[in-house]
Parts: sequence; C-alpha cells; structure tokens
Amino acid sequence: GDSVTQMEGPVTLSEEAFLTINCTYTATGYPSLFWYVQYPGEGLQLLLKATKADDKGSNKGFEATYRKETTSFHLEKGSVQVSDSAVYFCALSDYGGATNKLIFGTGTLLAVQP
Amino acid sequence: DSGVTQTPKHLITATGQRVTLRCSPRSGDLSVYWYQQSLDQGLQFLIQYYNGEERAKGNILERFSAQQFPDLHSELNLSSLELGDSALYFCASSPGTVVTDTQYFGPGTRLTVL
Repeated sequence: GDSVTQMEGPVTLSEEAFLTINCTYTATGYPSLFWYVQYPGEGLQLLLKATKADDKGSNKGFEATYRKETTSFHLEKGSVQVSDSAVYFCALSDYGGATNKLIFGTGTLLAVQP
Repeated sequence: DSGVTQTPKHLITATGQRVTLRCSPRSGDLSVYWYQQSLDQGLQFLIQYYNGEERAKGNILERFSAQQFPDLHSELNLSSLELGDSALYFCASSPGTVVTDTQYFGPGTRLTVL
C-alpha cells in the first residue's frame, strides 16, 4: 500500500541555518504531496503542496519539489528562525478506493535555537 | 484560522464511557475527514464523509462511528472507551474528493480516558 517515510527527528539547528527534512513515498497512482506543520498545542496547517511531477511548492521561505524519479518530496529552507520550531509532517493523497485520504509520515520535530 | 471548528477542545472521561466529538467544516466544503493522532500510531485516517454519505473507512474501530448531517457538520462517536483511545482527534475538510484538494484541519479534540 501507499506509504510515506520521513527522516527521524529531532532536528536541532541554530537560527539562520539551512534546513532539509527528507521525505520519500511509495504510491501506486499519481499522488499529490503535502507538507503540514504542527506548532505546539495546535492543529495541522498546510505549509505547501505539489500535485504533479516536477512541481515546486513554496510558502514562507520553505520549498519542496515533487521528484517522481526518486519518489521524494524533501522540505528545505535557506535560513530557519526560532519561530519555525514545530513538527513537520509529509503526506500524500492518492486516489485509491474512492478516497483522497491523507497518508502521513511519522513527523519530524524541528527545534531552532537562538 | 483554518475555518474548521471542533468541540470540545478537551475531554476527560472514564473507561467504558461514550463520548461525541463534533466538527463543523469550512463553508462550502463537502468532504469531512476524521484522523486520530497518538504517540504510538502517529496520524491515522479514520473515516471520510462526502455530502452526507460515508466515502471511505480507514483504521476505525467497530466501537467508533461517525455521521455527517444535512448541514454538513459531522460527529464522531466513541463508545466503550479504553485507555488506549486517549489521543488527539482531528477533523479536516475539503471541497471535494479529488487528490489535489487541500484538507484543512481543525484544532483537534484531546481525549483522555482514565
């Protein structure tokens, strides 16, 4: 079945460091790919998405490119801030069984230190 | 603010009891999803409704049930509660059922079973 694999956390960075969180997926069809962020005590917020191969999603300085050849959707940011500290979830939606449910990775905790 | 509302925010109850979680989707969204977030299982899809009809079931226990009403709000009923049901329950909504749809999440209901 479909699945998402994320790099284990926690990831601890200093402010202004470069961030990469790896995400790879397995899917039988043509999924859409998403990054969601969960701040402490809050729900999930969409960070960015890409719906077809080679699409680049971007938002708030974060970017991720849908790579079909490597089945990857790695999240990057050039310069992180303390306010970026949160849990980041990679997810896919694949139209199988008449549902566009989301399948999530395990989440990666990012801690940014001043 | 995603536009998705969930009540209550917190729920504390005892084993064997029954509770109802409520969700109001964003205006205009016809699809409602329920997800469970726990430390051991991560984020898991439970069930989806579309325009009042059940669309798909995921890892939902038989003790759990849900429905979507004509005004499109949804309720998740959890009965014969066990300690292991303690988790964060999220509701999400989207316009339809296509894989490119973004799902918008509510703030969640934290259920504690004592």
